[in-house]
Amino acid sequence: EAGVTQFPSHSVIEKGQTVTLRCDPISGHDNLYWYRRVMGKEIKFLLHFVKESKQDESGMPNNRFLAERTGGTYSTLKVQPAELEDSGVYFCASSQERLALPYEQYFGPGTRLTVT
Amino acid sequence: DQQVKQNSPSLSVQEGRISILNCDYTNSMFDYFLWYKKYPAEGPTFLISISSIKDKNEDGRFTVFLNKSAKHLSLHIVPSQPGDSAVYFCAASDGGGSNYKLTFGKGTLLTVNP
Repeated sequence: EAGVTQFPSHSVIEKGQTVTLRCDPISGHDNLYWYRRVMGKEIKFLLHFVKESKQDESGMPNNRFLAERTGGTYSTLKVQPAELEDSGVYFCASSQERLALPYEQYFGPGTRLTVT
Repeated sequence: DQQVKQNSPSLSVQEGRISILNCDYTNSMFDYFLWYKKYPAEGPTFLISISSIKDKNEDGRFTVFLNKSAKHLSLHIVPSQPGDSAVYFCAASDGGGSNYKLTFGKGTLLTVNP
């Protein structure tokens, strides 16, 4: 069974540009989470989808960030326009059922975003 | 305001000895605690967890202890092996509304020397 995949693995963009990160969860997983780790800091929750619906987006930093999950399969996270402080590693995680226990979140390898 | 704190950025131990990683939390609503292990260029991998109704959970070489009154948990690895060298993250969840979003600490880099 394929794990959570993320694309690209690394993206370098200039301040003011737009970047779109993609996450493919494990097949059949209804829950999809986005997290971010800024250099040297903790991994922080961004938002949670249940199928195509946003369950909780309390961690989204500001309106420059837009997450979508059309059709309830893969998800995209767009940053527009990117700022220097957006640099970090963006992780996606998925879990199978709505009431899945926390340990059942499976993480992808992350996308390292560098804004110059 | 950090709700989960790992105050030791790094820890170095000899192979075969015990590794003890510590974690403190401030949110009394947390009811589930997890440890994740992370290698470079990989995502976090679940290691072991504990519910707030327990004070100990053991899985092979890994044991997690929870002290609710002190809002403290620790991960013990015995015996430590070089392959255990990684960053270890403590995480917590309050399970509110079946969201199970995780709140992480900053991580502790464990180095196990042969």
